Amino acid sequence: DVKVTQSSRYLVKRTGEKVFLECVQDMDHENMFWYRQDPGLGLRLIYFSYDVKMKEKGDIPEGYSVSREKKERFSLILESASTNQTSMYLCASSRYYEQYFGPGTRLTVT
Amino acid sequence: AQKVTQAQTEISVVEKEDVTLDCVYETRDTTYYLFWYKQPPSGELVFLIRRNSFDEQNEISGRYSWNFQKSTSSFNFTITASQVVDSAVYFCALILSGGYQKVTFGTGTKLQVIP
Repeated sequence: DVKVTQSSRYLVKRTGEKVFLECVQDMDHENMFWYRQDPGLGLRLIYFSYDVKMKEKGDIPEGYSVSREKKERFSLILESASTNQTSMYLCASSRYYEQYFGPGTRLTVT
Repeated sequence: AQKVTQAQTEISVVEKEDVTLDCVYETRDTTYYLFWYKQPPSGELVFLIRRNSFDEQNEISGRYSWNFQKSTSSFNFTITASQVVDSAVYFCALILSGGYQKVTFGTGTKLQVIP
């Protein structure tokens, strides 16, 4: 079974803090993704990566950056957290088409 | 650009009723894949099914069945004899063949099964 893990289920940060969300997958998948999920908006793609050190902007990359130094790990960075980044963050990985998701991190920025 | 529409925002049914979740998609490409995912209250999206655009055969898996009709650009999901454990948000999604990095998701349908 594919396993995607995220570093935290719940996180509370203050405005202006730098925030790191970590995602690890154990199936040697090439592709990894970060989404945010907000009520009424569904899932929106922030960034994705199709190889180590490679990254591509998704639909809403502003205010975020990513890092992929190892194939199994994909990090999402909020350089200076703001209250409008309060959301559920979902990480996923895939080899071809099906994406496999982690449990999500519910981030609250106060 | 691709689009996936799930017009039903929320549905409530009584346990053991059948329920159909609608999904309509738009794409100009002829080769694509369609998916359904389930997101239970725990939060993790679970992959349910993948269908490619050349295979319009309906599929049944236990109490779940899927009806894919290219003529109406629809990929509907039916749960027969619903159970409380089926309560979740269900997402329909589309990806183009070869574009396996980017999925277009619908906004989801929240299903509540009342005991």
